[in-house]
Amino acid sequence: AQSVTQLGSHVSVSEGALVLLRCNYSSSVPPYLFWYVQYPNQGLQLLLKYTSAATLVKGINGFEAEFKKSETSFHLTKPSAHMSDAAEYFCAVSDSVGNEKLTFGTGTRLTIIP
Amino acid sequence: GAVVSQHPSWVICKSGTSVKIECRSLDFQATTMFWYRQFPKQSLMLMATSNEGSKATYEQGVEKDKFLINHASLTLSTLTVTSAHPEDSSFYICSASSPGADYGYTFGSGTRLTVV
Repeated sequence: AQSVTQLGSHVSVSEGALVLLRCNYSSSVPPYLFWYVQYPNQGLQLLLKYTSAATLVKGINGFEAEFKKSETSFHLTKPSAHMSDAAEYFCAVSDSVGNEKLTFGTGTRLTIIP
Repeated sequence: GAVVSQHPSWVICKSGTSVKIECRSLDFQATTMFWYRQFPKQSLMLMATSNEGSKATYEQGVEKDKFLINHASLTLSTLTVTSAHPEDSSFYICSASSPGADYGYTFGSGTRLTVV
């Protein structure tokens, strides 16, 4: 069975500082990994995804994530936080893209300190 | 890009009534749609997976007679909450996918259901 663990349910960073949101996965097959962002009372927006191509994945809004098989990690980073980055972030895993269900982590609420 | 439209965005209904939520893929054919439920400040829990033209597959613990899912076409799936009760109040989100699509999964904007 696949699973993801997001360390830290709440993360606070100052505006302009580095954002690091942690995600570790468990999968019996090569995983497909995703990061989504959710603003209040809205659906999920895809930030980026890893589908066995380049291990460093660049996404929207300046976010990127690196797939590290040896560490079973897929941490999300952004060099400089912006106030608009305040939201809930979910890491998810699937064993294929398209028809297989996503398994979500518990989410990390990111707060930006002015 | 791929767009999934979900309606209504919010609904208030009386206990004992039924509510239908629609999920439409606007610019692609969604062979598979997923329905999730999200409680406040919690993650998304998959309720069921539906493939066009076949019966939905429900996750363990989800009452299929209470949460009716129909996926009659490649662009429309519906979730009907039957005989709703206050404990059914939640945020429901649909997701659509298509095999081989670069975008993978696209989510609707969610429906806030409040049962009074």
